Amino acid sequence: AQSVSQHNHHVILSEAASLELGCNYSYGGTVNLFWYVQYPGQHLQLLLKYFSGDPLVKGIKGFEAEFIKSKFSFNLRKPSVQWSDTAEYFCAVNAGGNTGKLIFGQGTTLQVKP
Amino acid sequence: ETGVTQSPTHLIKTRGQQVTLRCSSQSGHNTVSWYQQALGQGPQFIFQYYREEENGRGNFPPRFSGLQFPNYSSELNVNALELDDSALYLCASSKSSGNTIYFGEGSWLTVV
Repeated sequence: AQSVSQHNHHVILSEAASLELGCNYSYGGTVNLFWYVQYPGQHLQLLLKYFSGDPLVKGIKGFEAEFIKSKFSFNLRKPSVQWSDTAEYFCAVNAGGNTGKLIFGQGTTLQVKP
Repeated sequence: ETGVTQSPTHLIKTRGQQVTLRCSSQSGHNTVSWYQQALGQGPQFIFQYYREEENGRGNFPPRFSGLQFPNYSSELNVNALELDDSALYLCASSKSSGNTIYFGEGSWLTVV
C-alpha cells in the first residue's frame, strides 16, 4: 500500500535558522508530490508541487523541495525561517493517476521562536 | 482563498445520529474529494466524485456516503455516527485534467 512518512513530528527553531523537513513515500510508479501548510485556524494551502522535470522545485514564501527518486524522498527546505512560518506541514503523494486522491503524511508541527 | 466553500463550519451531533456536510467546488473544477482529518493526524482520503459518480474510495465503511450534483457541488453523509467520527472534514476540488487539489476550510464535527 502507498504510504508517506514524515520523520519529524515536532520541530522548534529560532528565527533565521535553516529548515529541512523529511518526507519519504512508498510507491514504485510515477508520483506527483506535494507539500501543504496549515496555519492555525486556516485551510490547507499548497506550498509547492512536483510533477516532472527539474527535481528541485520552488514554492511560495521561500520554500523549496528536492525530489530524489532513488531515495523515494521529497524533503522540504527553507534557508531562513520566520516566526510566521509557525504551522503544520504535510507531505502528500498522488499516485496511480487518481487526481483527487492524496496520501498524506502525519504532519510536522513547526514552531519558530522569535 | 481557494474558492472551495464548506458548510457548516462547526457542528455537534450525538452518537447514532446522521450528518450531512456540504461543499461547493472552485469554479471550473469538476472533481470533488473528501478527507477526514483527526486531531494530530494528516488528512485521510474518504472518496472522490467525478461526473456525479464515486470514483475512488479510501478505507472507510459504507456508512460514509456522498453525492455530487450537476453543478459539481457535493455532500458527505455519515450515518450511525460514532465517537471516533469526531474530526475535521475537508472537501477538495480539482480539474479532472489537472493534478493540483485545492482544499476548503473544513467542517469540524464533534460526536458526543
